[in-house]
Amino acid sequence: NAGVMQNPRHLVRRRGQEARLRCSPMKGHSHVYWYRQLPEEGLKFMVYLQKENIIDESGMPKERFSAEFPKEGPSILRIQQVVRGDSAAYFCASSLDNSPEAFFGQGTRLTVV
Amino acid sequence: DQQVKQNSPSLSVQEGRISILNCDYTNSMFDYFLWYKKYPAEGPTFLISISSIKDKNEDGRFTVFLNKSAKHLSLHIVPSQPGDSAVYFCAARRYSGGGADGLTFGKGTHLIIQP
Repeated sequence: NAGVMQNPRHLVRRRGQEARLRCSPMKGHSHVYWYRQLPEEGLKFMVYLQKENIIDESGMPKERFSAEFPKEGPSILRIQQVVRGDSAAYFCASSLDNSPEAFFGQGTRLTVV
Repeated sequence: DQQVKQNSPSLSVQEGRISILNCDYTNSMFDYFLWYKKYPAEGPTFLISISSIKDKNEDGRFTVFLNKSAKHLSLHIVPSQPGDSAVYFCAARRYSGGGADGLTFGKGTHLIIQP
């Protein structure tokens, strides 16, 4: 039973490009959460999704960031026109129900140059 | 405004001894607390949790204590083992009944177990 799979593990983008981060939740999990960790900081909640629905996006910047979790396929976190400040580790987590004890993926480390 | 604080960025403990990691919080609405463990280049792994209606929860070598009046919790690991070397994050749930969307994390404490 594979865990939460994120890809790519490392992503380098030039300023102004788009970044697409993918997350496949654990089998059977329909709740997906995205967190961001800036250097020397704790994890900060960004968005909570269930299949085809955004439940809570209160932690996501209003501009340039979007997330989706389609009926088929992985959840996608999309960052348009990336800036240096977007450089961070982005973690996805999933749970069977809306449980606080979610399972995290290994993260995608985004570097904007 | 940092609502969950882990004031020790790092902690060094000898193998076999007790490791005590501390966490303070400011929001009295937090009702559920968790500890996550994280190895380099991996995601956080859930370790242990405690509800605000309890003051202690134990799971093998790991015990979490909660002092609501002081808004303080601690994670005790005894005996400490080399594999315990990792970054430990304290997290608190923002609202009752919420899930992982309602978690506020501290900055983490890097625990180093020395042989």
